[in-house]
Amino acid sequence: GQNIDQPTEMTATEGAIVQINCTYQTSGFNGLFWYQQHAGEAPTFLSYNVLDGLEEKGRFSSFLSRSKGYSYLLLKELQMKDSASYLCAVAGAGSYQLTFGKGTKLSVIP
Amino acid sequence: DADVTQTPRNRITKTGKRIMLECSQTKGHDRMYWYRQDPGLGLQLIYYSFDVKDINKGEISDGYSVSRQAQAKFSLSLESAIPNQTALYFCATSDSQDESTDTQYFGPGTRLTVL
Repeated sequence: GQNIDQPTEMTATEGAIVQINCTYQTSGFNGLFWYQQHAGEAPTFLSYNVLDGLEEKGRFSSFLSRSKGYSYLLLKELQMKDSASYLCAVAGAGSYQLTFGKGTKLSVIP
Repeated sequence: DADVTQTPRNRITKTGKRIMLECSQTKGHDRMYWYRQDPGLGLQLIYYSFDVKDINKGEISDGYSVSRQAQAKFSLSLESAIPNQTALYFCATSDSQDESTDTQYFGPGTRLTVL
C-alpha cells in the first residue's frame, strides 16, 4: 500500500526559512513531487526529485533520501504570498499514478 | 488563456441528479486525470486516461464514470449524485513523452455541492 505523512500545519515568520517534511512508504518509486496549493485554487507544480540529494530552484529547494523514504521542501526568505498548502506526492510503480499526502498548511506571519 | 480549463467552476445540485463536469486542455498532453479533494484529505484519483481509447479506474471510481471524447477533452459524470460526492474536483494532464518527470498540471477545479 501507499502511505504518505506530512505535518498538518506550520507557522513561520516573514523573511525566515521553513522546512516541510514528508515521509513515505510506497510500493515502487518513480519520483517525488511537491505542489503548492492556495486555498480554493489548483495545485501548482514546484519540484520533482527522483535521485537522492538536493534540487534548488530559486527560494525553494527539495531534498530526497530514497533509503529513508524521506523528503523535505525548504522555503527561504518567506513571503506572505507563500501562505498556502504544500502537497507531497509520490509516483509509484506506474509513474503516472500519484499518491498525495494530505498537505501541510503553512501560515506566514509578519 | 489557461492551458487546462474546467466547466462549470461551481455547481449546486440535488441528490439523484445526473451531473457532468468537463475538462479541456490545450497543452497537447495525451494523459488526463480526474481527482477529488475533500477538506483534510489528500487528492484522490477517480479515473485516468492515457489516450482516447484507454480509460482506467483510480482508487475511488464507484459512483463515477468518464468519457474521453478527444485527446483534449475528458468528462466526468455522476450518474446519480449523492451528498458525500460534495467536493472540489480537479482535472489534470501530463505528457507521456516527458519521460523524466511525467509532471501533472491541474485545472482550476470545480466546486460541486450535492444537497
